[in-house]
Amino acid sequence: EIVLTQSPGTLSLSPGERATLSCRASQSLTSSHLAWYRKRPGQAPTLLIYSASNRATGIPDRFSGSGSGTDFTLTISRLEPEDFAVYYCQQCSRSSYTFGQGTKLEIK
Amino acid sequence: EVQLVESGGGLVQPGRSLRLSCAASGFIFDNNGMNWVRQAPGKGLEWVSGISWNSGSTGYADSVKGRFTISRDNAKKSMYLQMNSLRPEDTALYYCARSRGGYVGYDAFDFWGQGTMVSVSS
Repeated sequence: EIVLTQSPGTLSLSPGERATLSCRASQSLTSSHLAWYRKRPGQAPTLLIYSASNRATGIPDRFSGSGSGTDFTLTISRLEPEDFAVYYCQQCSRSSYTFGQGTKLEIK
Repeated sequence: EVQLVESGGGLVQPGRSLRLSCAASGFIFDNNGMNWVRQAPGKGLEWVSGISWNSGSTGYADSVKGRFTISRDNAKKSMYLQMNSLRPEDTALYYCARSRGGYVGYDAFDFWGQGTMVSVSS
């Protein structure tokens, strides 16, 4: 099973700052099989990025994804108040999926 | 507008069964694979099971394999999760989620329901 490790566990920043979240896979991934989600308390997860670097419908361009192989990054260029939440990366392979453990983005 | 509405959750004793349902609307249901994802209290997201557009392919997390069965009825635009031999560690909010594509294990989940809570306790 492919394990995804996200870092940092918690990231403390202020609105307007840039956030960089990391997701490392235990095996090399096909880039098309890496996605990012935002999870706010009491709400369903929202797809942000699919295929490592493609923004989902309706997602603002301050969100960007990059990476290949085993190292992937989600960047939020200018944090808005609604961006403070938990972020998960997800990989898909061989008829199964795994999520990373999450990065909590909190207001500093 | 795409909508996914889960139902069937509740409090159940260990070892008993429960059947979850997901009713879909606002899109052509038999174009997309579908999935169940759960989140235990205070924990992260865990994929539980997925099914392809035509039920030809299914997948399960190791933690539920042999106990849970996923199915769908395209005519009713619905997906189901039959959960047997429930354990306390199955306690979680269960989400229904749509795959961007038609198969299991290939694509991200672009729409999610609000979830239905399952509590397993004596």
